[in-house]
Amino acid sequence: LAKTTQPISMDSYEGQEVNITCSHNNIATNDYITWYQQFPSQGPRFIIQGYKTKVTNEVASLFIPADRKSSTLSLPRVSLSDTAVYYCLVGPSHASGGSYIPTFGRGTSLIVHP
Amino acid sequence: DAGVIQSPRHEVTEMGQEVTLRCKPISGHDYLFWYRQTMMRGLELLIYFNNNVPIDDSGMPEDRFSAKMPNASFSTLKIQPSEPRDSAVYFCASSQDSNEKLFFGSGTQLSVL
Repeated sequence: LAKTTQPISMDSYEGQEVNITCSHNNIATNDYITWYQQFPSQGPRFIIQGYKTKVTNEVASLFIPADRKSSTLSLPRVSLSDTAVYYCLVGPSHASGGSYIPTFGRGTSLIVHP
Repeated sequence: DAGVIQSPRHEVTEMGQEVTLRCKPISGHDYLFWYRQTMMRGLELLIYFNNNVPIDDSGMPEDRFSAKMPNASFSTLKIQPSEPRDSAVYFCASSQDSNEKLFFGSGTQLSVL
């Protein structure tokens, strides 16, 4: 199972772009990268998933370099409501036939200041 | 769909008492996960089911913990007897398939006095 490493905490200000990088040096060929967001007193919720290059949705962008040993979650123009814990997960897709145990770890605590 | 439903939302009990946490997954989801979250250890996977069958319970801390899934729409996590160190937020999550995105419930805040 690919181990992930991400910063414990980050601080930002409203209106700034925030980039959270996750390292996964032993990522396997069949592995996808998935990010979750957790607000206080709530369960984590899915943000974005990707395999390579760039993925964008209405919430965030995910940048994955060619070697796939890291990934960067980008939050454009954050607001106070983006204060949350962000988790990076790596694991195989079902289509690849791999078994997968979603492991969250501690994530990155993002605090957005006024 | 109402999402993953957990009950109770909060539970306060005394050491030694039995505690039962309940979860209703999203209809059609074949995978169900139980997690525990504490400040010290973060979000830990306790056990997960596929098609109502327990697949991996290696995260269950000890014999005091047990989980069942009698049918596709209901699961329980039981702690007997409970201890103060079991105090945590317990989350249930479900997914349609392996590595499909997980949908989490609102959690049960358990306090064992």
